[in-house]
Amino acid sequence: DIVMTQSPLSLPVTPGEAASISCRSSQSLLHSNGYNYLDWYLQKPGQSPQILIYLGSNRASGVPDRFSGSGSGTDFTLKISRVEAEDVGVYYCVQTLQSLTFGGGTRVEIK
Amino acid sequence: QVQLQESGPGLVKPSETLSLTCEVSGASISSYYWSWIRQPPGKGLEWIGYIYNSGRANYNPSLKSRVTISVDTSRNQLSLKLSSVTAADTAVYYCARYYDFYNGTSYEYFYYGLDVWGQGTTVIVSS
Repeated sequence: DIVMTQSPLSLPVTPGEAASISCRSSQSLLHSNGYNYLDWYLQKPGQSPQILIYLGSNRASGVPDRFSGSGSGTDFTLKISRVEAEDVGVYYCVQTLQSLTFGGGTRVEIK
Repeated sequence: QVQLQESGPGLVKPSETLSLTCEVSGASISSYYWSWIRQPPGKGLEWIGYIYNSGRANYNPSLKSRVTISVDTSRNQLSLKLSSVTAADTAVYYCARYYDFYNGTSYEYFYYGLDVWGQGTTVIVSS
């Protein structure tokens, strides 16, 4: 089974500043088709999760361009260029190369 | 617009079977993968399984012996059955569409992940 590890566990941020979340997988998520099967989700307080980034670096429809995903193989990063108050919540990375496995989550809160 | 709505008993007794349904509107249930995910109180998300081609299912190994996911194409509904439940199965249960599609005719590939989620339904396991 592929294990997903996120860091940090908690991330206090100041509005307007940048934020970065790391996600590591126990096996490479790079498929022979060239895609990295790594997605990012945000669960805002009291809401269902929503997809932000798919296949490592593709922003989902309607997602602001301050969100970006990067990485390949086993190391991935979600960056928020300028955090806004509405970005608070728990961020999850998910591998979909072999079934699905969620990371433990990173809670982003405003300082 | 695709919408998903979970429903089912909010309280299930230990050792019994949890049964939930997910009504799908705005999309044919025969055309996509459909997944169940759960979230215990105060904890993270756990993938339960998904079904595709209206019958082929793939389950989380940790739950595989107790889980059955099925679809009713006539009602455009997805269902989840989890047997022999314990307090550890207390959670919010979500259904979601998992968009992963390869068109063998045009050779186009479409992937959008878990792109549509239901609002979730809370299930408490207690006597």
